[in-house]
Amino acid sequence: AQKVTQAQTEISVVEKEDVTLDCVYETRDTTYYLFWYKQPPSGELVFLIRRNSFDEQNEISGRYSWNFQKSTSSFNFTITASQVVDSAVYFCALRAPRANSKLTFGKGITLSVRP
Amino acid sequence: NAGVTQTPKFQVLKTGQSMTLQCAQDMNHNSMYWYRQDPGMGLRLIYYSASEGTTDKGEVPNGYNVSRLNKREFSLRLESAAPSQTSVYFCASRTGPSTDTQYFGPGTRLTVL
Repeated sequence: AQKVTQAQTEISVVEKEDVTLDCVYETRDTTYYLFWYKQPPSGELVFLIRRNSFDEQNEISGRYSWNFQKSTSSFNFTITASQVVDSAVYFCALRAPRANSKLTFGKGITLSVRP
Repeated sequence: NAGVTQTPKFQVLKTGQSMTLQCAQDMNHNSMYWYRQDPGMGLRLIYYSASEGTTDKGEVPNGYNVSRLNKREFSLRLESAAPSQTSVYFCASRTGPSTDTQYFGPGTRLTVL
């Protein structure tokens, strides 16, 4: 069985602060994919990143960075110099690379960035 | 290239009424999915279709039926709506195995009174 835990439910920061969103996962599969999605107040789900389990290299994209640690089953997401437009719900998700494997979501973290 | 489209965006039903949520994708993806999103629950899979002509149950299929009409379209039907089906419904399609990523439609907000 797969499980994704996002222990933080709500985070509030002031603009320009750095913020880290935690994600811990459980799976019996040796190969899997991890994802982050953003859901802004408008409601759509926006894909941010996909990471393969065999690639533990951290990734940076502008103000966003992701830290994947297989040893602790974590895939954390850091926003540097946060902006008001970063206010959203962020979901971490997990999927095994099989045709009938489902995408398992965490319950999401609501991030509020205050001006 | 519109990606994944869903209609309608909003719907209000009375208990016992039926309706069909429509989903279409123009990315030539084989796999398509229906999810529901409830407060504090994340997204839960209702049904999915790995390819044209096949459908399978997800975590929460009770009260729903689906049809994969062709490669582009995957519809979700509520035969007799119940208040417990008040939710936001998302359709998604998945890229091939080399990138294996699901892209979501804008969602349908359904209220059952």
